[in-house]
Amino acid sequence: DAKTTQPTSMDCAEGRAANLPCNHSTISGNEYVYWYRQIHSQGPQYIIHGLKNNETNEMASLIITEDRKSSTLILPHATLRDTAVYYCIACYTGRRALTFGSGTRLQVQP
Amino acid sequence: EPEVTQTPSHQVTQMGQEVILRCVPISNHLYFYWYRQILGQKVEFLVSFYNNEISEKSEIFDDQFSVERPDGSNFTLKIRSTKLEDSAMYFCASSDPGLEFTDTQYFGPGTRLTVL
Repeated sequence: DAKTTQPTSMDCAEGRAANLPCNHSTISGNEYVYWYRQIHSQGPQYIIHGLKNNETNEMASLIITEDRKSSTLILPHATLRDTAVYYCIACYTGRRALTFGSGTRLQVQP
Repeated sequence: EPEVTQTPSHQVTQMGQEVILRCVPISNHLYFYWYRQILGQKVEFLVSFYNNEISEKSEIFDDQFSVERPDGSNFTLKIRSTKLEDSAMYFCASSDPGLEFTDTQYFGPGTRLTVL
């Protein structure tokens, strides 16, 4: 699996968009980019994933650069409940094990 | 919304004792997983399970660990002789890969294991 690099921490004002970057410069053509988050000590929660195209669901948007070397997770209107550690994970089609890094600790400020 | 459940939420045991952690995956899911997270550290993959056999395991998953799907709903992780360093949160997950063979793993709330 390609290594991913994320900032250690970020702050965001409540109601504003939170943009969380992820670098995956060694990603290969059939590796997906997944985003999970972990609120306090709860189980990781799936957010979104993509391969090449930008994706959007009810939780977030995922913007993947054309060269696929980086991506950005966008929470359009961050709330206090979005305070969590966000993990960007690259993994091959068909692999089953998720490799979690240290993630980005997002603190949403009131 | 269907969810993965785990019992107990907290287990305290003495070093050397056997523990069994239980999980009920989402009912139509086919792949099952165990992960652990030592306090303050990363979430680590332990094992994945499909079609009644282990499909992948990490080097953490040594002979002290075993998994089982004893019936149609439960998925268990057994630690035969617990060590102090087994103290961690243990997360169960399940997934139902779609046609694109991509993983969307859904995690349970975890079992906190404390080994004294």
